[in-house]
Amino acid sequence: DAKTTQPPSMDCAEGRAANLPCNHSTISGNEYVYWYRQIHSQGPQYIIHGLKNNETNEMASLIITEDRKSSTLILPHATLRDTAVYYCIVRVTDFGNEKLTFGTGTRLTIIP
Amino acid sequence: DARVTQTPRHKVTEMGQEVTMRCQPILGHNTVFWYRQTMMQGLELLAYFRNRAPLDDSGMPKDRFSAEMPDATLATLKIQPSEPRDSAVYFCASGWLIGGEKRKNEQFFGPGTRLTVL
Repeated sequence: DAKTTQPPSMDCAEGRAANLPCNHSTISGNEYVYWYRQIHSQGPQYIIHGLKNNETNEMASLIITEDRKSSTLILPHATLRDTAVYYCIVRVTDFGNEKLTFGTGTRLTIIP
Repeated sequence: DARVTQTPRHKVTEMGQEVTMRCQPILGHNTVFWYRQTMMQGLELLAYFRNRAPLDDSGMPKDRFSAEMPDATLATLKIQPSEPRDSAVYFCASGWLIGGEKRKNEQFFGPGTRLTVL
């Protein structure tokens, strides 16, 4: 799976949009971008994933650049409960290759 | 709201003792994972099963760790003998994973077992 690079930490004011970047310059054509987050002392939680088109769900939006070498996770109206470590993971989704390789992630702190 | 459950939530034991951690995956899920999280190594995959058959246990120390799925509702991770370096949070996750472009392939994580080996 391709390697990802994320900033170690970020702050965001409550109520503002949190934009979390991820670089994956070695991504392959069949690799998806997944985002998970881990709130303190809990197990990781799936947020969103995409291949090349922008995606949106009830939790977040995912913007993937046209060359697919980077992406941004957007939490549109951050709340204190969004304080967590956010992991960007690049992987294929072939049957038999379901491993998630977690990096160090970005520690997002929402400031009241 | 279906959830992955893990027991015990906390375990303190002495070096050399056997430790067994249990996981109940979400009913109907076909894939079960065991992860370990430490400050030094972060989150790392130990092993995973599909339809109760082991698919990959390359991340697991073979000499002391073993993972099994006696039935579809129970996955176990056993350490024998335990060592202080095994102290970590162990997460179980499950999912209905069938690959393919249009599938979410989401993994649902349990709350973890915090293991301390003295």
